[in-house]
Amino acid sequence: QKEVEQNSGPLSVPEGAIASLNCTYSDRGSQSFFWYRQYSGKSPELIMSIYSNGDKEDGRFTAQLNKASQYVSLLIRDSQPSDSATYLCAVNMGYGGATNKLIFGTGTLLAVQP
Amino acid sequence: NAGVMQNPRHLVRRRGQEARLRCSPMKGHSHVYWYRQLPEEGLKFMVYLQKENIIDESGMPKERFSAEFPKEGPSILRIQQVVRGDSAAYFCASSHEGALNGYTFGSGTRLTVV
Repeated sequence: QKEVEQNSGPLSVPEGAIASLNCTYSDRGSQSFFWYRQYSGKSPELIMSIYSNGDKEDGRFTAQLNKASQYVSLLIRDSQPSDSATYLCAVNMGYGGATNKLIFGTGTLLAVQP
Repeated sequence: NAGVMQNPRHLVRRRGQEARLRCSPMKGHSHVYWYRQLPEEGLKFMVYLQKENIIDESGMPKERFSAEFPKEGPSILRIQQVVRGDSAAYFCASSHEGALNGYTFGSGTRLTVV
């Protein structure tokens, strides 16, 4: 079982729609969860972080966390063509100690159609 | 604050040569992480360093790869006797206090082995 799993996509949505990106993880001890956006040929950019169960909203982005189900999701409302990118789910594998690091899923490619 | 600085941006090496990739963390950050990204794949953790110490090198290949983060100067990822399979984008990230709050990536070094 992979440590962090994502559907590779592509996920195609029309402009203005809601894009829903999903991620599952294997380590129940994980403490923090992140979504990064990566445009083609560029470096990953942190867009959302979430630490406790429930929803966290920031502008058009909402992150959702369910630790019991080991599930993280990202909703993008009013999707724009500029949102077209690969979205990487990252999980802090560790217990806040010296060896903690982020483990990434393989990413979901989102394509927003104008 | 210029963020995480990586150089060179692009590096071409012939098979058998050495590649040296440099990373200067953000000001005030003492934790450095190196990741490798192969085409169409996710980010793979390689090594986690703090000043003068390797904390976690569980993702480093056993041979030809080494990393350091000296007391003065940038972190260096060194690949000896490069092979075509080493061609990838190598990203460095830094943080103030481990991975609990995520980290910031540099723009990456794209290594091409010919």
